[in-house]
Amino acid sequence: GEDVEQSLFLSVREGDSSVINCTYTDSSSTYLYWYKQEPGAGLQLLTYIFSNMDMKQDQRLTVLLNKKDKHLSLRIADTQTGDSAIYFCAESMYNAGNMLTFGGGTRLMVKP
Amino acid sequence: SQTIHQWPATLVQPVGSPLSLECTVEGTSNPNLYWYRQAAGRGLQLLFYSVGIGQISSEVPQNLSASRPQDRQFILSSKKLLLSDSGFYLCAWSMGQGNEKLFFGSGTQLSVL
Repeated sequence: GEDVEQSLFLSVREGDSSVINCTYTDSSSTYLYWYKQEPGAGLQLLTYIFSNMDMKQDQRLTVLLNKKDKHLSLRIADTQTGDSAIYFCAESMYNAGNMLTFGGGTRLMVKP
Repeated sequence: SQTIHQWPATLVQPVGSPLSLECTVEGTSNPNLYWYRQAAGRGLQLLFYSVGIGQISSEVPQNLSASRPQDRQFILSSKKLLLSDSGFYLCAWSMGQGNEKLFFGSGTQLSVL
C-alpha cells in the first residue's frame, strides 16, 4: 500500500538550517518530490530526486534519500522568513501509473 | 513555456447550488490533468485525473464530477453543492512521461454556506 508521512510542524530561527523529514512505505517508488505551498496558493515544485540517487543539492536545498529506510529529507540552509510555508513530499510509483502520493505536509515556521 | 490557469480564485456558494471550476493549460499538448482538494491547509486528496480528452478517472466517489471537453481544459462540476464540498481546489498538469512532475494552478477557495 501507499503511505507517505510527515511531521505536522517545524519551527526554526532565521539563519538556522531546517530539516523536514518524510517516510514512505512503497519500495517501488521511482521519483520523490518536494513541493512548497505558501498561504492561499498552489503548490510549487521545489526539487525532486530519482530513486537510484541518495543526494541532490540545489543552492540552499539538499535532498537526502535513504532507500533502505524509506526516508526522505529536505534540508534548507540559512532558513529565511520567506521559507515559511507548508512543505509536501510526494512519491510516484511506476506500478501505479506514475501517480503521485502526497504526504500530509509539514508547516515550517521561521522566527526572526 | 507552459502555464496553467485556474479560476475563480475564491467562490462562495449556497448549499444546493451548482458548481463549475475551470482549468486550462497553455504551452503543451496532451497533458495529464488532475483535480485535487485540500482541506484546511493540510494534505491533498486526488479527486479526478485525465490522460486524454473525454477520459476521466475518479479516485473518490462523491458529489463532484469532472469533464475534459478539450485537450487542455479540465472542468470540475457539481449539480448540488454540500457543506462538505468546502475546501481549496487545485488543478494540476503533468507531461505523463514517467517523471510525473506536477505543476499546480493557484487554487480556488470554495466556501459552501
